[in-house]
Amino acid sequence: DVKVTQSSRYLVKRTGEKVFLECVQDMDHENMFWYRQDPGLGLRLIYFSYDVKMKEKGDIPEGYSVSREKKERFSLILESASTNQTSMYLCASSLYRDRGYEQYFGPGTRLTVT
Amino acid sequence: GDSVTQMEGPVTLSEEAFLTINCTYTATGYPSLFWYVQYPGEGLQLLLKATKADDKGSNKGFEATYRKETTSFHLEKGSVQVSDSAVYFCAHKVGSTLGRLYFGRGTQLTVWP
Repeated sequence: DVKVTQSSRYLVKRTGEKVFLECVQDMDHENMFWYRQDPGLGLRLIYFSYDVKMKEKGDIPEGYSVSREKKERFSLILESASTNQTSMYLCASSLYRDRGYEQYFGPGTRLTVT
Repeated sequence: GDSVTQMEGPVTLSEEAFLTINCTYTATGYPSLFWYVQYPGEGLQLLLKATKADDKGSNKGFEATYRKETTSFHLEKGSVQVSDSAVYFCAHKVGSTLGRLYFGRGTQLTVWP
């Protein structure tokens, strides 16, 4: 089974802190994605990566950065957390060459910034 | 630009009722289409998919048919169960966008016994 794991299920941070969210997949997928999920807004893409050290901005990259130093790991960084970044964060991965492009999701990290 | 519009929720049904959740898409080219489901406290998981026009995806009693002429991919189930209570997301993928999926806003389904 494909497994996508996220470092924490719940996280509480203070305004201004630097926050790292980690995602690891074990299926040698080329693509990895970070989304945030908010009530009434669905999933919004923050960043994605199609190869090691490659990244592309999604729809809402402001206030976030990412790092992909190894194929299996994709990190989301909040350089200076703010209360409007309180949200559920979902990581996903997929094969690059599969026409079906099925994305496999982790369980999510619920981040609260106080 | 590329987008997905799905029926707003919440949807509340009694057990064994018929379910339809509407989904339409806007895309250049010929996208692949997906329905994902998110059970409480979990991430999303693929429910079904269709990769070309007139294909029917099916899984766990759910079905959806890729209708190119109406740019739609409506999700249906003939008899819902309490365990189907979840959030359902429609999504599409266009070939040129490096594996990115475009998701709808999600539809919350609650099924009562």
